[in-house]
Amino acid sequence: NAGVTQTPKFRVLKTGQSMTLLCAQDMNHEYMYWYRQDPGMGLRLIHYSVGEGTTAKGEVPDGYNVSRLKKQNFLLGLESAAPSQTSVYFCASSNLPLGRSTDTQYFGPGTRLTVL
Amino acid sequence: AQSVAQPEDQVNVAEGNPLTVKCTYSVSGNPYLFWYVQYPNRGLQFLLKYITGDNLVKGSYGFEAEFNKSQTSFHLKKPSALVSDSALYFCAVRDTPPNRDDKIIFGKGTRLHILP
Repeated sequence: NAGVTQTPKFRVLKTGQSMTLLCAQDMNHEYMYWYRQDPGMGLRLIHYSVGEGTTAKGEVPDGYNVSRLKKQNFLLGLESAAPSQTSVYFCASSNLPLGRSTDTQYFGPGTRLTVL
Repeated sequence: AQSVAQPEDQVNVAEGNPLTVKCTYSVSGNPYLFWYVQYPNRGLQFLLKYITGDNLVKGSYGFEAEFNKSQTSFHLKKPSALVSDSALYFCAVRDTPPNRDDKIIFGKGTRLHILP
């Protein structure tokens, strides 16, 4: 199993450009999450999904859109990138409910995005 | 809404000494609590979690955490620190029924330095 993979690993954008980050998991997990990590801010939840075809807003959803057309994929889109979106983006997946002893979140390796 | 606080940005411990990384939380119902570790340029790795049962939870790499409901704390501990424990540690919380929220909220992280 590859676990959780993210594409691309690095990207540099100019202000106003758009891009899509792809997250894929091969563990048949129901839940998927997008976080951003900034120095001194920890991980902040952008959007998440509780199953195929569903999405929900997290703590910092503005400026981002997501789609979960297939269970194994969770896409994060930036329609018009801004310098404030310079960050490291992490995708994660888990089973529901997290209350079972065997359940936890699995994280991807991250995507480092710079917006100039 | 749930929240989690890690009051220390950095903790320095001499190798071989016991270590503690602090975490406090706020939820409406009963918490699910997690600890994750992040090594440089890597994604987060699960260490341990508290769902229910014994207040002392044992996890990976010799770490353990104690759930204290009255103090709303979930401090991470290890009896004898190793230099290889140096990393960024995140505490996370999720609320549970009947105030269930499917979001997992992370603290800002605590950087642990183990001094040789």
